[in-house]
Amino acid sequence: SQKIEQNSEALNIQEGKTATLTCNYTNYSPAYLQWYRQDPGRGPVFLLLIRENEKEKRKERLKVTFDTTLKQSLFHITASQPADSATYLCALVNRGSTLGRLYFGRGTQLTVWP
Amino acid sequence: DAGITQSPRHKVTETGTPVTLRCHQTENHRYMYWYRQDPGHGLRLIHYSYGVKDTDKGEVSDGYSVSRSKTEDFLLTLESATSSQTSVYFCATGTSGTLHYNEQFFGPGTRLTVL
Repeated sequence: SQKIEQNSEALNIQEGKTATLTCNYTNYSPAYLQWYRQDPGRGPVFLLLIRENEKEKRKERLKVTFDTTLKQSLFHITASQPADSATYLCALVNRGSTLGRLYFGRGTQLTVWP
Repeated sequence: DAGITQSPRHKVTETGTPVTLRCHQTENHRYMYWYRQDPGHGLRLIHYSYGVKDTDKGEVSDGYSVSRSKTEDFLLTLESATSSQTSVYFCATGTSGTLHYNEQFFGPGTRLTVL
């Protein structure tokens, strides 16, 4: 069956450290992966996209990697801050899919403590 | 913000009653989506639309119908609400349905409780 698994439901780290979130997929062939941030009571907000032929993408303190051999994407937040506390969702579009359908993981809740 | 509103934001209803949720966008995005979000399941696609009057089913479409008569509005109807449809519903829009790029913009959500 198809699965998108994100590492532990909750991740707690100290301010200033690097947070690393994992997204593993099974029985998908992603054309690209996206990462979203979701705050309590709000809709997800797009952060980054990485294509299947890209190894790494950066945006300010955020970095995403994509390893199609391991079937895994890693999402890093460097120099983390309490304001980074939120739930982070990975999503993918399957190669050959039309209409941009996204399949989401369940999310990882990140807490950054001072 | 992409200018997506959802109404109502909260609703409590009884089993067996019909319910319609509305999504309105001001961005002229062609693609619109309805998701539900439940603990332990994440976001799951209910229905989507790739143009006015063009809709298709997602992975959890049973018990739901949709309509899109204008670019800016996408309605989700629960024909006869059941307790299993208690959830938070999100509408989203996208600018491209191709494989090139499809960032989705989400509305604030509707919390629906079916008693």
